[in-house]
Amino acid sequence: DAGVTQSPTHLIKTRGQHVTLRCSPISGHKSVSWYQQVLGQGPQFIFQYYEKEERGRGNFPDRFSARQFPNYSSELNVNALLLGDSALYLCASSVRLAGGPGDTQYFGPGTRLTVL
Amino acid sequence: TQLLEQSPQFLSIQEGENLTVYCNSSSVFSSLQWYRQEPGEGPVLLVTVVTGGEVKKLKRLTFQFGDARKDSSLHITAAQPGDTGLYLCAGATGAGGTSYGKLTFGQGTILTVHP
Repeated sequence: DAGVTQSPTHLIKTRGQHVTLRCSPISGHKSVSWYQQVLGQGPQFIFQYYEKEERGRGNFPDRFSARQFPNYSSELNVNALLLGDSALYLCASSVRLAGGPGDTQYFGPGTRLTVL
Repeated sequence: TQLLEQSPQFLSIQEGENLTVYCNSSSVFSSLQWYRQEPGEGPVLLVTVVTGGEVKKLKRLTFQFGDARKDSSLHITAAQPGDTGLYLCAGATGAGGTSYGKLTFGQGTILTVHP
């Protein structure tokens, strides 16, 4: 079975631009979460979506937004890119709304975003 | 704000040695997960612990969840070069609030096992 897939693998943008990252969850998983991992640190939670609705939000500015589609895939959008947005963006999927015991999240390989 | 303090940050050992990585918090988590991450890749789940005091073994890896569900440890016996990587602990937030489903990660432990 295919795992979580993300596209693109790598992306280079300049300050002020907009970026869209995409994620396809494991088949049968209805929840998608997004994380930002800056080099040398653990991932930081951005959003969780379940059944196309936002169910959790981390401490990120409004420049970050996301949505989930009827097929449970998801997009993360970042506007007005800053140098500090350079990071590995990870998508994770789970069968149901993650948070309860055993609601394990499985991660994709990530999208490496570089902002120049 | 929930925080997970992971220690040590770096660990460099010889093949065959034992090691323990610690993950501590003042917050209670509904579950705690351990991941291993290779450079340029996403974290790969090793284990999920749910019950306070729970111990799980995965070959040479032993995971323990504290009785109060605030801390955890990962012990590796007879480490091998293939164990080299970034080890991350992550606590899951339970029901309620805007951060439901959020995984709070520790800063990670970079393990290097020399042949």
